[in-house]
Amino acid sequence: SAVISQKPSRDICQRGTSLTIQCQVDSQVTMMFWYRQQPGQSLTLIATANQGSEATYESGFVIDKFPISRPNLTFSTLTVSNMSPEDSSIYLCSASGGYEQYFGPGTRLTVT
Amino acid sequence: GQQVMQIPQYQHVQEGEDFTTYCNSSTTLSNIQWYKQRPGGHPVFLIQLVKSGEVKKQKRLTFQFGEAKKNSSLHITATQTTDVGTYFCAGQKSGGYQKVTFGTGTKLQVIP
Repeated sequence: SAVISQKPSRDICQRGTSLTIQCQVDSQVTMMFWYRQQPGQSLTLIATANQGSEATYESGFVIDKFPISRPNLTFSTLTVSNMSPEDSSIYLCSASGGYEQYFGPGTRLTVT
Repeated sequence: GQQVMQIPQYQHVQEGEDFTTYCNSSTTLSNIQWYKQRPGGHPVFLIQLVKSGEVKKQKRLTFQFGEAKKNSSLHITATQTTDVGTYFCAGQKSGGYQKVTFGTGTKLQVIP
């Protein structure tokens, strides 16, 4: 299994600013992912974070808005850029070394 | 794109009653996974099913994968208050690495 930590756990940000979320895994993993989850809703995949190369984004998500880094096999960051109130959500980091996915505790973002 | 729907969306049961959630995919799946998310928590992996018609049990939980590999179910026998949470299925299409698509989720409330 893998233990995932995320920082910050929550933040309140003003519109137009950017926030970078950090995700740290306690072991080397093959795949890392970033999800968004509105309260009471399902998980929506933003992108797959690829080690050493550009992230693979899902339809509706673009690199300019959600730049992602993954410098090694245990760490990734997601930046939410030029935020608007519509970006208010829970952002979850996930990692997988096989078939099952492990999730971090999430970052609760509120944009005012 | 691939869609994974779950019914019911919500379910309230008396403690001791059984509970079932159904998961249906718009496309044939390579495998299906189930996750549980407690209120305020993050999704936690429960199980993966791979074979057509496969049935797996974990104590009071029974998981089934349909013959056509497009649907699945989770049945909980004699629910307990610790079963409270949202149950997500997550399907993965065949053909190399394919992202996991999470279902819409079923929120279970157990009344003591």
